[in-house]
Amino acid sequence: ETGVTQTPRHLVMGMTNKKSLKCEQHLGHNAMYWYKQSAKKPLELMFVYSLEERVENNSVPSRFSPECPNSSHLFLHLHTLQPEDSALYLCASSQETGTGAETQYFGPGTRLLVL
Amino acid sequence: GQNIDQPTEMTATEGAIVQINCTYQTSGFNGLFWYQQHAGEAPTFLSYNVLDGLEEKGRFSSFLSRSKGYSYLLLKELQMKDSASYLCAVRDRDYKLSFGAGTTVTVRA
Repeated sequence: ETGVTQTPRHLVMGMTNKKSLKCEQHLGHNAMYWYKQSAKKPLELMFVYSLEERVENNSVPSRFSPECPNSSHLFLHLHTLQPEDSALYLCASSQETGTGAETQYFGPGTRLLVL
Repeated sequence: GQNIDQPTEMTATEGAIVQINCTYQTSGFNGLFWYQQHAGEAPTFLSYNVLDGLEEKGRFSSFLSRSKGYSYLLLKELQMKDSASYLCAVRDRDYKLSFGAGTTVTVRA
């Protein structure tokens, strides 16, 4: 496979469930990102990992918990979500250089519905 | 915070030209990106501008004026497959990327 892949593509969960989203990049990049995309709203940056260390957490509720075990894999663990968390969750990766991160490449997203 | 504005929707005819404008106010500037996103799919990279002027890539061109905080994406010879959402994104002084809400372009036969 090439590019950035995400699983599952669709997920329906209850507010008491625990689930995880998975992202894998095959581009040799050293930075990975989680974004939330709600209808008619801009993409919201949730988490940034650079060289497997979290460098940014944009005040995301603790019911979202990221994990980056290596530079190719990124997880988003979900627990006790709310209906307003229903959205498209996008993963992206880029190559960070000494002058700043280069172009971000996105996965297809996981469409999440919280009932 | 960052402020990035672009029109919500645009409609054009197959074979025509459409120009999508984007204005921004950010904390510093380290480049502007345009992405295309088809419904249910990943945003895909279209263009990058960091200096003033026009960048041309086939049927797509992107223009930047840093002094005006303004960019546009020009789509020429529109095809049905160009129907998608177009996202303007600006990288600030901390190299953080902020996105506009996207412009949905509908191409009609």
